[in-house]
Amino acid sequence: SQTIHQWPATLVQPVGSPLSLECTVEGTSNPNLYWYRQAAGRGLQLLFYSVGIGQISSEVPQNLSASRPQDRQFILSSKKLLLSDSGFYLCAWSRGVGGFQNSPLHFGNGTRLTVT
Amino acid sequence: TQLLEQSPQFLSIQEGENLTVYCNSSSVFSSLQWYRQEPGEGPVLLVTVVTGGEVKKLKRLTFQFGDARKDSSLHITAAQPGDTGLYLCAGGPLSGNTPLVFGKGTRLSVIA
Repeated sequence: SQTIHQWPATLVQPVGSPLSLECTVEGTSNPNLYWYRQAAGRGLQLLFYSVGIGQISSEVPQNLSASRPQDRQFILSSKKLLLSDSGFYLCAWSRGVGGFQNSPLHFGNGTRLTVT
Repeated sequence: TQLLEQSPQFLSIQEGENLTVYCNSSSVFSSLQWYRQEPGEGPVLLVTVVTGGEVKKLKRLTFQFGDARKDSSLHITAAQPGDTGLYLCAGGPLSGNTPLVFGKGTRLSVIA
């Protein structure tokens, strides 16, 4: 069966410090991978998605970047965090074949980031 | 840009009551997915509907996809405290070349 691991679960970082959040998927090959941010328990904002190694699509220009160094590894980074980067970050995967439209997303348990 | 509007944003009801939440758009989607999210966790898929007019049931939950594939509803019968959570709808763009579009969610609280 497929599993998704996301860590850390909670993170408190000072303004101006770097960030690295990691997500790995097991039990599937060539998945589509996603990073979402969720503010105050509301909707999901798509930050980045990737359809393959080294292929990153950015949805919202911001202080963050993403990388996919391996097929089932997705990393969210920042060189200098801002207060506005605080939020709940979710990694997800979906099957990489058949297009996006009917493939369900499988989410990790999220990282609660607080920038102080 | 395709948008999904969910209503109501917040809903607080007593255990045993029925409720309906809505997911509407002016755009046509190839499919509609519903997720439920509990605090501190990631969303979990409840159902996918793909055919206009389709109705799916999951125990006390009934999901319907509009005939024109622009809207969907979720009806819960005899709500229980375990139904509490954030309900998110997500639409699959017709092209299939871009990721799902999410609504902002309906936060449901069922009081015992």
